[in-house]
Parts: sequence; C-alpha cells; structure tokens
Amino acid sequence: GQNIDQPTEMTATEGAIVQINCTYQTSGFNGLFWYQQHAGEAPTFLSYNVLDGLEEKGRFSSFLSRSKGYSYLLLKELQMKDSASYLCAVSHISNFGNEKLTFGTGTRLTIIP
Amino acid sequence: GAVVSQHPSRVICKSGTSVKIECRSLDFQATTMFWYRQFPKQSLMLMATSNEGSKATYEQGVEKDKFLINHASLTLSTLTVTSAHPEDSSFYICSAVGTGNYEQYFGPGTRLTVT
Repeated sequence: GQNIDQPTEMTATEGAIVQINCTYQTSGFNGLFWYQQHAGEAPTFLSYNVLDGLEEKGRFSSFLSRSKGYSYLLLKELQMKDSASYLCAVSHISNFGNEKLTFGTGTRLTIIP
Repeated sequence: GAVVSQHPSRVICKSGTSVKIECRSLDFQATTMFWYRQFPKQSLMLMATSNEGSKATYEQGVEKDKFLINHASLTLSTLTVTSAHPEDSSFYICSAVGTGNYEQYFGPGTRLTVT
C-alpha cells in the first residue's frame, strides 16, 4: 500500500519562511505533487517533482529525494493569504495498471501577523 | 486553459434519494477522470478512476453499486450517489487528465448534505 506522512498543523509568522515536510513509502512511484487547498475549495496545483532536487517557482520551492522517500515544500515571504492546507500527493501506478494520486493527510498552515 | 467544472456546487437531499454530480472538462479532452471524497478536516480520498468508454475502477471499500460512475464522453463524467444516507454527506471533487498529460486538473467540488 501507500503511506504518506506530513505534519497535521504548522504555524508561521508573516514575512518568514516555512518548510513543510512529506515522507512517503510507495510502489510504482512516478512523481510527487504539492497542492494548496483553502477551506471549502478544490486543491490548486503548486508543484510537481519527478527527479531529485529543488524546483523553484517564485515564493514556492519543492524538493524531492527519491532514495529517501522525502519531499518538502518551502514557502518564502509568507503572506496572510498563504494560510491554507498543503497537500502532498504521490503519483504512482495502481494495481490495475493506471496512474493515480494518493494524498497525504494535509498540513494546515496558519500564518500569524 | 485546463478548466474543470462541477455541477451542482452544493446540493441538499433527503435520505434515500439519489443525487447526480456532473464533472466536465471545458477546454480539453479528458481521457481519465477521478472522483474523490473529502470529509471535514481530512484529505482527499480517491473513490474511483473513470476512463472514457469503459467501466470505472473503484478503490477498495467503495461500493460500486452505490456510487455509479458514467464516463460517456471525453468531456463528461457523472457520479450518482444512490440511496443517499447522512454518512454520505461530504465534499465530492473530480479531476481530469488530458491525453499525454500528467497533471490532474481539479473541479471546484460539490458539497453534498443528506438530511
């Protein structure tokens, strides 16, 4: 089966930097997604990592180590609007041979002034 | 581009009735659509994978006779919750993947409340 772990809640200060970690154990790994989800809304795409290393996109960066089964999402220059849940999702091949996403429990990030 | 819509956005129904939720890819053809369910303060749980023109693949523990999925065209998949019960109340989200693409584009979700 698939096992994805991330912290349940985190708090950070406006203007600061926060790192949200995600560890996974999975078979048929294709890549790892990070999504942002505000309450009552659908997830929105933040990043996708296939190879090891850091992918930077503006204030958001995502890192992947396939050998360690580890990823993190780094948010810089935090803004109040960054308060949301951040979902780590692993793309893998299912037992039926199709590609699917398995989501972690999500990390609820609260930004304080 | 890559917009996915869902209808309705919110629905309240009585216990024992059936509810149909539509998921449409508006500007691309979706060979595969996924249906997720999300309970409050929990993450998304995949219910089923739907490929156009074939039967849906259900995840373990999801009753295929209760959650009917029809993917009749490359732009439309429907989820019908049959004989709904209060415990079916949840946020249902669909996503769609285009041909040769890896990214899932999510719909805005449908909040179902069964009274």
